[in-house]
Amino acid sequence: QQQVKQSPQSLIVQKGGISIINCAYENTAFDYFPWYQQFPGKGPALLIAIRPDVSEKKEGRFTISFNKSAKQFSLHIMDSQPGDSATYFCAASMSGSRLTFGEGTQLTVNP
Amino acid sequence: GAVVSQHPSRVICKSGTSVKIECRSLDFQATTMFWYRQFPKKSLMLMATSNEGSKATYEQGVEKDKFLINHASLTLSTLTVTSAHPEDSSFYICSASGGGGKEAFFGQGTRLTVV
Repeated sequence: QQQVKQSPQSLIVQKGGISIINCAYENTAFDYFPWYQQFPGKGPALLIAIRPDVSEKKEGRFTISFNKSAKQFSLHIMDSQPGDSATYFCAASMSGSRLTFGEGTQLTVNP
Repeated sequence: GAVVSQHPSRVICKSGTSVKIECRSLDFQATTMFWYRQFPKKSLMLMATSNEGSKATYEQGVEKDKFLINHASLTLSTLTVTSAHPEDSSFYICSASGGGGKEAFFGQGTRLTVV
């Protein structure tokens, strides 16, 4: 019930392409779905987050798509750049309590 | 976003000694702080949750006598790894939240190496 499954484990995209990372959850009580970006040797940084009352949220090149009925959400990175190469984690929580993280996706954007 | 400062960023200690890691919320009051451990190329594993002025709640399998957590003020939490051994070598990350459904912000992480 507490799991968040993330795919793919790794992703290679050409510069300018679209990177898509998917997550699925089981607990319908989750009401907060953030995405984090982590560079090697650094802590995770919040990229963008969504709550289940909307189906999409866009901030710059980053978009979250949320499908409540399917219990899935995804991160789209438009016009991917080499500087976007990092590990991305989806997460979910209930009312700001502890976060449950996905397994992570290592994104490589080739120049 | 809010700033969470974690110190030190790297520490090397001898086996059998204790190491203290500090986590500070610089511009907000953190009613709740979380401590995570992360192995190479793995996700974050929650170790414990601490609320200011209360004892920490540890996740199953985490030794509370080995990983001492103190959250004595609304801006500071510490994690002390006692009698450290090489298997305790890892990346430790804290996060802090203002509570009430507010989002949590992460520190920069601490790379602990026990030799």
